[in-house]
Amino acid sequence: EAGVAQSPRYKIIEKRQSVAFWCNPISGHATLYWYQQILGQGPKLLIQFQNNGVVDDSQLPKDRFSAERLKGVDSTLKIQPAKLEDSAVYLCASSLGQGLYEQYFGPGTRLTVT
Amino acid sequence: AQKITQTQPGMFVQEKEAVTLDCTYDTSDQSYGLFWYKQPSSGEMIFLIYQGSYDEQNATEGRYSLNFQKARKSANLVISASQLGDSAMYFCAMSGNNNDMRFGAGTRLTVKP
Repeated sequence: EAGVAQSPRYKIIEKRQSVAFWCNPISGHATLYWYQQILGQGPKLLIQFQNNGVVDDSQLPKDRFSAERLKGVDSTLKIQPAKLEDSAVYLCASSLGQGLYEQYFGPGTRLTVT
Repeated sequence: AQKITQTQPGMFVQEKEAVTLDCTYDTSDQSYGLFWYKQPSSGEMIFLIYQGSYDEQNATEGRYSLNFQKARKSANLVISASQLGDSAMYFCAMSGNNNDMRFGAGTRLTVKP
């Protein structure tokens, strides 16, 4: 079974530029998550989708971050414009359902904003 | 609000010995799940073990076991017979009624040969 796919693996941009990350979850997983992991910290949930609907985006900085999962499968996370403090690893995860299911993570995208 | 606390920034263990990584949590939810993940230097998060709040027995998965003490709100991970490949960051996490996963700050485990 294929795991969670993410691209790109690495991205370097200048502040005020925009960037987009892509995630394809495990086939059949209804729930998809985007996390931000700053160096030395645990992952922080940014947004959670159940199929193509948003379940939780309370920690998503909506003035600059946006995410979509239009067909309930793959998802994109966008940052526009980027700030220096957005430098982090962006992890995508998926699970069979909400709540008490283990999440399976992709390899992450390491973003550096200069 | 849910909170996960890992008080050990770093731990060392001798190869083939057992080690316990501490995790305490705080929640007002009656139903919740506790998870442990391993993050090697490659960066990928690897699921290790899960404990439900209503599970009466401690979870075990191979060399991993979860010492769940509900009254003390602790969910410590025990790794038996440590191997060099166990060196990594370990994260404790919790999911509750709101279906959002909260992670602790992590513990860096180093296994010494």
